[in-house]
Amino acid sequence: AQSVTQPDIHITVSEGASLELRCNYSYGATPYLFWYVQSPGQGLQLLLKYFSGDTLVQGIKGFEAEFKRSQSSFNLRKPSVHWSDAAEYFCAVGSAAGNKLTFGGGTRVLVKP
Amino acid sequence: GAVVSQHPSRVICKSGTSVKIECRSLDFQATTMFWYRQFPKQSLMLMATSNEGSKATYEQGVEKDKFLINHASLTLSTLTVTSAHPEDSSFYICSARPRLSYNEQFFGPGTRLTVL
Repeated sequence: AQSVTQPDIHITVSEGASLELRCNYSYGATPYLFWYVQSPGQGLQLLLKYFSGDTLVQGIKGFEAEFKRSQSSFNLRKPSVHWSDAAEYFCAVGSAAGNKLTFGGGTRVLVKP
Repeated sequence: GAVVSQHPSRVICKSGTSVKIECRSLDFQATTMFWYRQFPKQSLMLMATSNEGSKATYEQGVEKDKFLINHASLTLSTLTVTSAHPEDSSFYICSARPRLSYNEQFFGPGTRLTVL
């Protein structure tokens, strides 16, 4: 069975500082990996995805993520956060069969002025 | 592109009544739609997967007679919470997968259900 772990429940970062959100997955084959962002009371917006190829993927809003197979990780990074980046971030893994997404528990990001 | 809408965005109902939530893919055809439930400050839990023209597949522990899902067309799926109770209060989110997409889902904005 596939699973996703986001070890950090909350992260507080100063505006302008760098951000890294951790994601570890468990999956028997090549995973399809996603990062989503959710603002309060809203649905999910896709930040980026990894299916194959270059292990460093670029997404929207200045985010990037790196797939490391040896570490079963797909960490999300942003060099300089903006106050508008305060939100909940979810990592998810999907199967090649194209069905279910399994989500991590989420990481809430707070941005200090 | 790839916009998914949900209606209503919020609904308050009395215990024992039924509530229908619509999920529409506005600019693409979705062969598969998913329904998730999210409790406050928690992650999304998949409730069921619906394929156009066939019965929904429910996750373990989800009562199919309570959460009725209909996917009558390639752009519309509905979730009906029957005989709602306060414990059904939650944030319900749908997603839709385009016809030729591998695993990519587009999410709706969610529906906040409060059962009094």
